[in-house]
Amino acid sequence: LAKTTQPISMDSYEGQEVNITCSHNNIATNDYITWYQQFPSQGPRFIIQGYKTKVTNEVASLFIPADRKSSTLSLPRVSLSDTAVYYCLVVVSNTGKLIFGQGTTLQVKP
Amino acid sequence: DTAVSQTPKYLVTQMGNDKSIKCEQNLGHDTMYWYKQDSKKFLKIMFSYNNKELIINETVPNRFSPKSPDKAHLNLHINSLELGDSAVYFCASSQGFLAGGQETQYFGPGTRLLVL
Repeated sequence: LAKTTQPISMDSYEGQEVNITCSHNNIATNDYITWYQQFPSQGPRFIIQGYKTKVTNEVASLFIPADRKSSTLSLPRVSLSDTAVYYCLVVVSNTGKLIFGQGTTLQVKP
Repeated sequence: DTAVSQTPKYLVTQMGNDKSIKCEQNLGHDTMYWYKQDSKKFLKIMFSYNNKELIINETVPNRFSPKSPDKAHLNLHINSLELGDSAVYFCASSQGFLAGGQETQYFGPGTRLLVL
């Protein structure tokens, strides 16, 4: 069964690039890796998803190495409004089992 | 218009009581979920319904009973509430049942339950 591990917290300054890594040992062949962002008193919202190599959208990039045992969410030039909790989610596609990481609290400082 | 809505937003109750949380989505999605988020922000799935059928039923006390009257609604009833049930409960929906693991989930704002 896939299990995910993330750093509990990270600090950064405005304008910096932030990379948050999630380890997912025993990830199955068909698992996708998804990242969600959660602001205080709100539900999580989708940021990005990938299966292998690199995915980029308007808000983030996701790097997945060939062995797929980890993934890295990259946030370019963070701002104060990026302060949130970031979760990685591994989906076991053939069972629908959903495994969330414990979340990384990112604090962006001015 | 709110895509996924939950009521109530806050719920304070006594141990032993029975309470319900309601969820509605107006996205036309087929799949809905209930999650529990504890004080350490850990998100854990509890149930999932696809087209009103239960498809995920994690190890949850049988005091928790989900009900889906139609595709757009998924309610959560909790009997004999305990102190440990205090948490934030999130409802979510997705287009389908994570077909290929690519389905994006849309979360509601959460219901903050406090059991005294």
